[in-house]
Amino acid sequence: DADVTQTPRNRITKTGKRIMLECSQTKGHDRMYWYRQDPGLGLRLIYYSFDVKDINKGEISDGYSVSRQAQAKFSLSLESAIPNQTALYFCATSDSGHNQPQHFGDGTRLSIL
Amino acid sequence: GQNIDQPTEMTATEGAIVQINCTYQTSGFNGLFWYQQHAGEAPTFLSYNVLDGLEEKGRFSSFLSRSKGYSYLLLKELQMKDSASYLCAVREEGQNFVFGPGTRLSVLP
Repeated sequence: DADVTQTPRNRITKTGKRIMLECSQTKGHDRMYWYRQDPGLGLRLIYYSFDVKDINKGEISDGYSVSRQAQAKFSLSLESAIPNQTALYFCATSDSGHNQPQHFGDGTRLSIL
Repeated sequence: GQNIDQPTEMTATEGAIVQINCTYQTSGFNGLFWYQQHAGEAPTFLSYNVLDGLEEKGRFSSFLSRSKGYSYLLLKELQMKDSASYLCAVREEGQNFVFGPGTRLSVLP
């Protein structure tokens, strides 16, 4: 979905490095989410935000932090990367209605050596 | 706790019908969503159910039974391009989405 843009698309880095993944959206949605996807485990929620001043932990927030700088931007940081954080990361947005689905970015493939 | 189950893999033949099941136990319920995800790509929205019954959308239909914690996605007239993973997701009371592990469907000629 071109309305939700993730950068970078691919990243290879070393253990212990600090990494930031960026997400921006032009859909005008208040709600933004970060997920990671691992084979056989599906999408797991890391952090989510329903507004610029709202940050909430998801199922697997340890080792991650986020920043919601503006309605359109939601960044995910790995303070000190470790190999088991190697995964496909997706940003998503949604509107607030119950029937509103999530719209996903194209993902960031992150490899930590 | 929260738990969503789907079969890991399914195989079907081009032109056939396939039913992908999803069972769930979650903290509250505000609707069930189905997404399609081709390998290495983003999930894309297929269907939404919040009331019991069948929702039809072209070749795809989705069914929900809230009392049984059960849904299925029905794909008719299968095409090769339908080979993908299908993700079941429940929107909980806190407005978050909980995803199942996904079902990888292979459509054979």
